[in-house]
Amino acid sequence: DQQVKQNSPSLSVQEGRISILNCDYTNSMFDYFLWYKKYPAEGPTFLISISSIKDKNEDGRFTVFLNKSAKHLSLHIVPSQPGDSAVYFCAATPERMKTSYDKVIFGPGTSLSVIP
Amino acid sequence: DTEVTQTPKHLVMGMTNKKSLKCEQHMGHRAMYWYKQKAKKPPELMFVYSYEKLSINESVPSRFSPECPNSSLLNLHLHALQPEDSALYLCASSQDPIGGSSEAFFGQGTRLTVV
Repeated sequence: DQQVKQNSPSLSVQEGRISILNCDYTNSMFDYFLWYKKYPAEGPTFLISISSIKDKNEDGRFTVFLNKSAKHLSLHIVPSQPGDSAVYFCAATPERMKTSYDKVIFGPGTSLSVIP
Repeated sequence: DTEVTQTPKHLVMGMTNKKSLKCEQHMGHRAMYWYKQKAKKPPELMFVYSYEKLSINESVPSRFSPECPNSSLLNLHLHALQPEDSALYLCASSQDPIGGSSEAFFGQGTRLTVV
């Protein structure tokens, strides 16, 4: 059972336009969400995160929106650049529990192509 | 230094070979992880080390044997692997191993091919 879903395997966007990558989750215990970016032959790189106490977090061209009631988050990239072409993984971690350890649950990823 | 360094970058090994993957970080992180990633799939967690002790083993076959010699180093010893074990093996570290909110830093990975 996939707890973190990214229903679009791929997305193509024109340079300068907005890229919107979507992510849905099923586990209501998740309270911290992360986006990772991965280029071919490299490890994932942390991009941006959001805590469940917020509904928006912005870092430069990247903004993540969280809708807890819908168990949905999205990553907006504005404006999109060719260098943004990569696979984007949505990830989630459960509520901090002293008897448990950090575990990042990854979604399947969305491959973004930004066309010059 | 915000890097997680993995060696080697590429490894080809036979099914009877013994080899080791190495991972190093100098960020003072106390949690270190091994992930396996197949093509077009998300990373799958294999092992978690917390304060140099193995805390999570995600039912990984015994032909994979992790080792954490100290807080900066993490090894993955490989023996009698199968061709289906060919994958990208990612090491990661994070600051806080006790639940919650810290992102993981990933290494570049070791591309393993078992022949």
